[in-house]
Amino acid sequence: KAGVTQTPRYLIKTRGQQVTLSCSPISGHRSVSWYQQTPGQGLQFLFEYFSETQRNKGNFPGRFSGRQFSNSRSEMNVSTLELGDSALYLCASSLGELEKLFFGSGTQLSVL
Amino acid sequence: SQKIEQNSEALNIQEGKTATLTCNYTNYSPAYLQWYRQDPGRGPVFLLLIRENEKEKRKERLKVTFDTTLKQSLFHITASQPADSATYLCALDTSGTYKYIFGTGTRLKVLA
Repeated sequence: KAGVTQTPRYLIKTRGQQVTLSCSPISGHRSVSWYQQTPGQGLQFLFEYFSETQRNKGNFPGRFSGRQFSNSRSEMNVSTLELGDSALYLCASSLGELEKLFFGSGTQLSVL
Repeated sequence: SQKIEQNSEALNIQEGKTATLTCNYTNYSPAYLQWYRQDPGRGPVFLLLIRENEKEKRKERLKVTFDTTLKQSLFHITASQPADSATYLCALDTSGTYKYIFGTGTRLKVLA
């Protein structure tokens, strides 16, 4: 069974640009979560989707958005990039609430 | 506010010894707690889950305890090996909100 796949693996952008990250969950997993990881803040919850519905959103500005498609694949978008958005963005899938998370290897975003 | 603390940023131990990592939380009443392992440049990997009504859980050389009175979990690796060197993260569920709160992690180094 294939794991969680995130693309691209690395991304370099400049301030003001926007970026779209993609996540393909494990087959059969309908819940997809996104986390931002930085050395200072650790893993911070961005949002969670289940069957195309966003069920929760973390404390991030509206520049961060996401969506989930009918095949459970998910994308997140960050608009008007800032230097502080440089981070490892991790996607995790699970069968549902109270279940363990399966993480992808992440997308390392660098904003110059 | 909700907060999770892991005892130290880094922990060095000799091969063969038992490593003990601590996770303390405040302002939570989690239904369960999870531990993950993260290697550099990779996403976290699930290790163990312990529920609030369980005192202890074991898996091979790993043992987790959960004290809801002290609001603390201890994670033990017995007979540690250099291959156990990684960052270990604890995570709490926030029931009904579909998100996990992660600690900042403890970087464990097992010296040969």
